[in-house]
Amino acid sequence: GESVGLHLPTLSVQEGDNSIINCAYSNSASDYFIWYKQESGKGPQFIIDIRSNMDKRQGQRVTVLLNKTVKHLSLQIAATQPGDSAVYFCAENPPGGGNKLTFGTGTQLKVEL
Amino acid sequence: DAGVIQSPRHEVTEMGQEVTLRCKPISGHDYLFWYRQTMMRGLELLIYFNNNVPIDDSGMPEDRFSAKMPNASFSTLKIQPSEPRDSAVYFCASTPDGVDGYTFGSGTRLTVV
Repeated sequence: GESVGLHLPTLSVQEGDNSIINCAYSNSASDYFIWYKQESGKGPQFIIDIRSNMDKRQGQRVTVLLNKTVKHLSLQIAATQPGDSAVYFCAENPPGGGNKLTFGTGTQLKVEL
Repeated sequence: DAGVIQSPRHEVTEMGQEVTLRCKPISGHDYLFWYRQTMMRGLELLIYFNNNVPIDDSGMPEDRFSAKMPNASFSTLKIQPSEPRDSAVYFCASTPDGVDGYTFGSGTRLTVV
């Protein structure tokens, strides 16, 4: 079987608080970024995306911020709910990568009642 | 739309046996991707197809892995012979025309003993 695996960074928040999940991406020339949510036993689910010509994009209860200077993405979740508990991944589409996405290692979000 | 459909959901097999994982992409999606997820390495792209043609198989770990897409509605990932280190969750994803609209299936959890 597998040897000891990575321990995902964990963010614990109280229900109703705002959550901020951070991600450092690898390629400064990447032009498209996506945040995914993965619940236990399920595949990654699209949350929100952003292109490199923007620095902020808002969805329903979620906002993605892009800082190209330091190659940093963040996902903000407003009024966090128990149903938001999951692992969150950022992904980038690097130049020359065709239609491939490169995924980050993920952050576990735990919402406490 | 039923989404991306993968089968089986779980597979337990003995080392040395052949394993075949199956995927039905969303109708009309021209791109199909196979990913592997482990705690050690996260989500890794194995191979992807465009219009049933393999475009990039650089992520396929070794010759024991092979993938086919005989038509627009079906793809297989085969491991022969399987080894314990192949134990992982294997995801299939499809997208209409690029990285936009990436939709993942629920995955196949493979355990090789």
